[in-house]
Amino acid sequence: GAGVSQSPSNKVTEKGKDVELRCDPISGHTALYWYRQRLGQGLEFLIYFQGNSAPDKSGLPSDRFSAERTGGSVSTLTIQRTQQEDSAVYLCASREASYEQYFGPGTRLTVT
Amino acid sequence: QQQVKQSPQSLIVQKGGISIINCAYENTAFDYFPWYQQFPGKGPALLIAIRPDVSEKKEGRFTISFNKSAKQFSLHIMDSQPGDSATYFCAAKLSGAGSYQLTFGKGTKLSVIP
Repeated sequence: GAGVSQSPSNKVTEKGKDVELRCDPISGHTALYWYRQRLGQGLEFLIYFQGNSAPDKSGLPSDRFSAERTGGSVSTLTIQRTQQEDSAVYLCASREASYEQYFGPGTRLTVT
Repeated sequence: QQQVKQSPQSLIVQKGGISIINCAYENTAFDYFPWYQQFPGKGPALLIAIRPDVSEKKEGRFTISFNKSAKQFSLHIMDSQPGDSATYFCAAKLSGAGSYQLTFGKGTKLSVIP
């Protein structure tokens, strides 16, 4: 079946612009995560959605970052007024009942 | 206490050799320890995972060894192949964490040379 998909695969933006990154989880997966992966670093948790519950936003690094999940499916991560330190790969993962998280291929964001 | 420390940062192994990657943690409340494999341009994929009630788990050429008292766990790749060349991440999950949020190590870039 189809895995987690993310778009765009690459995004180059100018400092100060807003960007939106999209994640389509595996159908039926109720849990959705966003991670940030800086070059040579591990995965940094950003935000978690579970069904209709309030999201866990504890990993968002600043108020420039926000995310929403519409209809319990597609999610959008928005970064406002992008900074060069926001350059990274942004990974989305979804999960069903088990512990296993299934990752998408990521969006590589470059802020110039 | 939320950290998972992974070593080495990079590893070069001859084809047919054994690759060993180590992770250490401080928080004894972690109760699930997965290893993820990531190829360039792809998202991480679950390779193998272990719970702290067992000391070893083997799946094919991949083995996790777990030392609860030392708070360490390691990934062993037997008969390493060039196709195993990837970045490997260890991770850990807190018990009772309804989010099943994972804390990741910084990764090990493995290169298997012919």
